[in-house]
This record gives sequence, structure tokens and C-alpha cells, in this order.
Amino acid sequence: QKEVEQDPGPLSVPEGAIVSLNCTYSNSAFQYFMWYRQYSRKGPELLMYTYSSGNKEDGRFTAQVDKSSKYISLFIRDSQPSDSATYLCAMSVYNQGGKLIFGQGTELSVKP
Amino acid sequence: KAGVTQTPRYLIKTRGQQVTLSCSPISGHRSVSWYQQTPGQGLQFLFEYFSETQRNKGNFPGRFSGRQFSNSRSEMNVSTLELGDSALYLCASTPSEAAKNIQYFGAGTRLSVL
Repeated sequence: QKEVEQDPGPLSVPEGAIVSLNCTYSNSAFQYFMWYRQYSRKGPELLMYTYSSGNKEDGRFTAQVDKSSKYISLFIRDSQPSDSATYLCAMSVYNQGGKLIFGQGTELSVKP
Repeated sequence: KAGVTQTPRYLIKTRGQQVTLSCSPISGHRSVSWYQQTPGQGLQFLFEYFSETQRNKGNFPGRFSGRQFSNSRSEMNVSTLELGDSALYLCASTPSEAAKNIQYFGAGTRLSVL
């Protein structure tokens, strides 16, 4: 079993919809939780990062971490066609900061 | 500020050859990590360098190696290439030790092994 599980999709939604992306993990030592967006033929782009549990909001994006359930989420409000990409969750243990463990990535398509 | 720069962007090699990939981190960033991305395995951590020292290593064979120079630029080398080494190789840098969990990625080098 992988340390981080993420449904690869693909996920297709109409423009303006609220998108929910999720990851589960098994390593309780994870303390940093990140979401990256990756467009085709590009490197991952950091969207959000959260330390420990809680919520964080940035514009149309909200990241949630529930350490008791070992579950993290990314919500995208008012989704746009330009949000079509692969979304990757990533996690790390504090003293292994340079080593990120990634989920498989969820492919999202937002239809006009 | 320029982002993480990886060269070359594309590379074609044959089995048995070796290859060297280069990464220039964001100015002021001292830590560099390397990852391999494949459709089957996703993004997997290769190794991390800080102040010219390897600080962390993933579960890859010894054919994969790297180094970091005094200006923080890094190279990774793969010897005796195998077909399964075909992948996107990504480099990431971190802004500080206090934020070493936050990584910024380059566009990657796409390696094809024939």
C-alpha cells in the first residue's frame, strides 16, 4: 500500500462548479501538506501548503487537513477551464523536509 | 526572480549509455531535490542536496547519483541506462531551512531511453 493515496480520476466538471480533490495517507509523522498543479509538459506548481491540521484559503482555493482521519482536501470554487490540469498532493515529515511523498495525481477537466 | 532552470529539456539516449542532467535553483535557494516522474509510479524522490552534501536519498539503485556545487547548482547522473529510466526528471529548490518542506519545481528534463 502506498503512503499517500489519491484518486487519479479523470474528473470532469462544468465551468463554475466547486471541485473537491482528496488524498489519504498512512504515515502519522507527516506534518507538512502541499497541493501542486501540473499542466501538461510542465513542472508542478505549488498552490497551497499547510502545516499540521486546519484550513487555509487563498482566493478560489481552500486546503483542509484532518490529521485525525489522515485526510486532506483541496476545494476549488468557481472552477475555470484554465484550472484543467493534474493536481498532486504531497506530504513531508519535518526533519525530512527535502523529501516529499506525492499522491498519484488527479486529472481535472473543467468544461466551458 | 528566475525560477528553477533545468537543462536540457529533452534528451534521447540508448540503453547502456550514461546521462547527466543539470539544475540551477532559484537565486538564494541552497537546497535542491530531484524527483523522477513516470505514468506508472508518479513522482518519486531521488535525493536531496544541501551545502554540497547529500542529505536524503530515496529508494533508487546506485546507478542514480548526484552532486551539488558551491553555487548550489546541482547535477544528477544516471549510468548504464535502462529502458525503464525513461521519465521526466524534476528538480526542486527550497527557499530556506525554515521552509525546507516548501519546494519549487523546474519544468523538468524529459529523458527517453531507446
